[in-house]
Amino acid sequence: DAGVIQSPRHEVTEMGQEVTLRCKPISGHNSLFWYRQTMMRGLELLIYFNNNVPIDDSGMPEDRFSAKMPNASFSTLKIQPSEPRDSAVYFCASSLRAVFDPGELFFGEGSRLTVL
Amino acid sequence: AQSVTQLDSHVSVSEGTPVLLRCNYSSSYSPSLFWYVQHPNKGLQLLLKYTSAATLVKGINGFEAEFKKSETSFHLTKPSAHMSDAAEYFCVVSDTGTASKLTFGTGTRLQVTL
Repeated sequence: DAGVIQSPRHEVTEMGQEVTLRCKPISGHNSLFWYRQTMMRGLELLIYFNNNVPIDDSGMPEDRFSAKMPNASFSTLKIQPSEPRDSAVYFCASSLRAVFDPGELFFGEGSRLTVL
Repeated sequence: AQSVTQLDSHVSVSEGTPVLLRCNYSSSYSPSLFWYVQHPNKGLQLLLKYTSAATLVKGINGFEAEFKKSETSFHLTKPSAHMSDAAEYFCVVSDTGTASKLTFGTGTRLQVTL
């Protein structure tokens, strides 16, 4: 079975440019999460969708970050404009169900973003 | 509020010797606890989880963890380390029953030497 698929795996861009990260969750999973991992802050939850609806975006750093889930099989995380401090590995994860059931999260392999 | 403390940032063991990765948690309610593993340049993978059933939980690849409420601990163990176990391990707690409220530890890097 295909796991969570993320693209691109690596992105190098210059400060001020727009960055779009993409995620395809596992088919049938109804919850999707975006995490950011850095050496300084570890793994941080940015936003969480349930049935394509954003439920909790309190972890989104600022207005430069936005996330969408137009359908059950696709989500994007956009950073505009990007800044060097956004450099991190961004993970997408999906889960069969999340409400009142802390089940297994299935992670993609991540998108490593470098902003120069 | 929930929190998790991984007591060692780095653990080194010889192949064939036991592994102990320590985790203490703080939770206002009955917690769910997890261990995830991350191999280099990969995503995280669930090793095992505790959700108020048996206190000794067995996971994949020979790992197990014991939930000790009196000690607020959930240490990860393996009787005999293998080279392929070298990775970063994360202890995770959730006390609200929702995956959106997982709190990840800072991770323990396990090194396995010959």
